[in-house]
Amino acid sequence: DTGVSQDPRHKITKRGQNVTFRCDPISEHNRLYWYRQTLGQGPEFLTYFQNEAQLEKSRLLSDRFSAERPKGSFSTLEIQRTEQGDSAMYLCASSFSVSGGIGELFFGEGSRLTVL
Amino acid sequence: SQQGEEDPQALSIQEGENATMNCSYKTSINNLQWYRQNSGRGLVHLILIRSNEREKHSGRLRVTLDTSKKSSSLLITASRAADTASYFCAYTNDYKLSFGAGTTVTVRA
Repeated sequence: DTGVSQDPRHKITKRGQNVTFRCDPISEHNRLYWYRQTLGQGPEFLTYFQNEAQLEKSRLLSDRFSAERPKGSFSTLEIQRTEQGDSAMYLCASSFSVSGGIGELFFGEGSRLTVL
Repeated sequence: SQQGEEDPQALSIQEGENATMNCSYKTSINNLQWYRQNSGRGLVHLILIRSNEREKHSGRLRVTLDTSKKSSSLLITASRAADTASYFCAYTNDYKLSFGAGTTVTVRA
């Protein structure tokens, strides 16, 4: 399967713990996005990378959140000192763009986080 | 917070009927896209319409775009049980997609 893969698919943690999610995009894609989705809502933009550079972070991304994309390949999203309000589905998507604009995004299956 | 509005929030139809859902947005756009999401899964791209296009078809899907009203509609014809899912519009004028809250469609056999 050459689609976007995310790991783990499900994570249950206790409040205050740190969690890390990994995303492996489609190999030739230069853009990688992280979104967060809560029940009954659409995805909300968190951050995006063009190759290895993180070019934009949403105000939703507090200081407890950090994302990396070393070498422009896979990406990790870490949440430190988790809170119950962090419970959500974290979606990764990738795309290929040569200049400005944005076309189709390819999404992974998501990583569902439950904070107890 | 969601940048777009979708209407209706939920829709229940009989197999074989058509399903229409609408999306409104607030900014200028380069393109508008529609995605489908089955429960607990990731989103799947359905169709993209550029700001200079008014209508686009793909199989049983028909999308319209009215930039003067900042609105779009998605029509699914001859619905099937497998069309049961949530449908999201997403629009962009830069580097990211902004999604609406979605329409949940249930197709009854």
